[in-house]
Amino acid sequence: RKEVEQDPGPFNVPEGATVAFNCTYSNSASQSFFWYRQDCRKEPKLLMSVYSSGNEDGRFTAQLNRASQYISLLIRDSKLSDSATYLCVVPRGGATNKLIFGTGTLLAVQP
Amino acid sequence: DTEVTQTPKHLVMGMTNKKSLKCEQHMGHRAMYWYKQKAKKPPELMFVYSYEKLSINESVPSRFSPECPNSSLLNLHLHALQPEDSALYLCASSLTPSGDNEQFFGPGTRLTVL
Repeated sequence: RKEVEQDPGPFNVPEGATVAFNCTYSNSASQSFFWYRQDCRKEPKLLMSVYSSGNEDGRFTAQLNRASQYISLLIRDSKLSDSATYLCVVPRGGATNKLIFGTGTLLAVQP
Repeated sequence: DTEVTQTPKHLVMGMTNKKSLKCEQHMGHRAMYWYKQKAKKPPELMFVYSYEKLSINESVPSRFSPECPNSSLLNLHLHALQPEDSALYLCASSLTPSGDNEQFFGPGTRLTVL
């Protein structure tokens, strides 16, 4: 099993739709999880951190299921500007902050 | 100031050149990172500096040489690169090297090796 696994997509959705991405991770000891957003040819930008069961920020909701070892990201009322690659990131743990990146899920919101 | 800055934005160099990439943050972060990212791939960790000391080298070839002059600055010295080293080089920082701390990325340097 890969350390962090995501469906690469692309997810093509109309404006206003609700879309959800899942991410599975292999290290059951992981305590923190991150979703980053990356636009084409730009740097990853932190979208959301998840330390307990979930987190919500406006149209974005992240949920953590420790038993099944997956994190989801839900985007409600999709906007054209949400089109990007969404990276699921899990620290490997230990003494140093090595992040394990998923391959990313590409979202294309259509007008 | 909540950002990581990187210079230059773009760099084109020949295989015999020597150049340096620079990264700066003024958030008081004590961990800094270099990543390499190829198109359509996630970032790959190269080096980690923890409290100005090199703590992780992910088996990076010696033609890449990192340097951390102080807690705000991180350099990556490049020498005798190969065309396959062309990529986006990202710098990041976090408050401490703890696994629970978010990492914040700079805008990157897009490197082309001819």
